[in-house]
Amino acid sequence: GNSVTQMEGPVTLSEEAFLTINCTYTATGYPSLFWYVQYPGEGLQLLLKATKADDKGSNKGFEATYRKETTSFHLEKGSVQVSDSAVYFCALFPYSGAGSYQLTFGKGTKLSVIP
Amino acid sequence: SAVISQKPSRDICQRGTSLTIQCQVDSQVTMMFWYRQQPGQSLTLIATANQGSEATYESGFVIDKFPISRPNLTFSTLTVSNMSPEDSSIYLCSVVGQMNEQFFGPGTRLTVL
Repeated sequence: GNSVTQMEGPVTLSEEAFLTINCTYTATGYPSLFWYVQYPGEGLQLLLKATKADDKGSNKGFEATYRKETTSFHLEKGSVQVSDSAVYFCALFPYSGAGSYQLTFGKGTKLSVIP
Repeated sequence: SAVISQKPSRDICQRGTSLTIQCQVDSQVTMMFWYRQQPGQSLTLIATANQGSEATYESGFVIDKFPISRPNLTFSTLTVSNMSPEDSSIYLCSVVGQMNEQFFGPGTRLTVL
């Protein structure tokens, strides 16, 4: 079955530090990959996505590249801000021929950015 | 992207009672999903709700506990029945976009005493 393995948290960084949250996946075929963010007390927001190998998703200074050879989709940001403090979820959506539309989530990584 | 609203946004309920959560989407969608997020945990899919057919439940979730309605292409409800403190969670509905991305509602934060 499909699975997503995400870097364990929590992660605490100082403002302007570089962020990497690792994400690897197991899936049949060519899934779509996503990063979602959940700010304190809120629901999930789609942060960025990539639908095929070598695609780079980017948004709000965050980037992630779909690496099929390493089955990875690591999230990066060059300079984090206090407002980036949130829980980040890596997720995959199977390709349409797989017969399933379930979004598979990683366990989430809590990021705290301190001034 | 789809705009999704949920009601109520939060509730505190007594053990043994039931709560119905509403999900409204601003566009017509075929598939809607209901997820549960227990405190400090990731999301777990409860069921897939398609208009005009019975919901499809994931392992560990049953219709008697989580009945779902899907009367049209923009609306769905999830009922949490005979609640216990273990049902305290955030319940989220979601829909699939054109690029297979899923958009989520703001969630309903349920506390069962």
